[in-house]
Amino acid sequence: KQEVTQIPAALSVPEGENLVLNCSFTDSAIYNLQWFRQDPGKGLTSLLLIRSSQREQTSGRLNASLDKSSGRSTLYIAASQPGDSATYLCAVRWSSGAGSYQLTFGKGTKLSVIP
Amino acid sequence: GAVVSQHPSWVICKSGTSVKIECRSLDFQATTMFWYRQFPKQSLMLMATSNEGSKATYEQGVEKDKFLINHASLTLSTLTVTSAHPEDSSFYICSARNRQPWETQYFGPGTRLLVL
Repeated sequence: KQEVTQIPAALSVPEGENLVLNCSFTDSAIYNLQWFRQDPGKGLTSLLLIRSSQREQTSGRLNASLDKSSGRSTLYIAASQPGDSATYLCAVRWSSGAGSYQLTFGKGTKLSVIP
Repeated sequence: GAVVSQHPSWVICKSGTSVKIECRSLDFQATTMFWYRQFPKQSLMLMATSNEGSKATYEQGVEKDKFLINHASLTLSTLTVTSAHPEDSSFYICSARNRQPWETQYFGPGTRLLVL
């Protein structure tokens, strides 16, 4: 079964710290991987999309990496700010299988940045 | 960027009643719309996919007769929860995309449904 796992479920860091969020997936035959941000009771905001042929993507203080062979992706947030507090979701789009080309989401990591 | 709206943002209803949730693409034509369901501390689960003018494709385990989806135009899709029960209480999120780039989905702000 194609699954996406995010550990830890919650993370609390002091303001200014650099941090890494982890995402693992069970099948390496991915089409792309996407990181989203979800604020409480809100919809999703796309942060970064990494295609299968790419190793990383950067946007401002965010950097996402992809290692298909190990089934892992990381989201690196530099110099964290209280405004970064949210739940971060990892979603994979596989190129084959029952749910191919549909987004499969992890449960998310709830990040709290303490002032 | 492209905007997707949902209405209402939250709704409380009595058990046995039906509730309709609207999803609109405000500045683009949504050839495909998706409906997701999210329980607390759980991941988004795809319920169904609909293409404009066609019947929705439901994921395994999702009751077609309970969750009626209509994608009547390129800017509007509706999800009707029929004969709602407390276990239907959840956060419903719609998503929309155009033909190109097909992999870019825009998400609505979600609708919180509470069935008493």
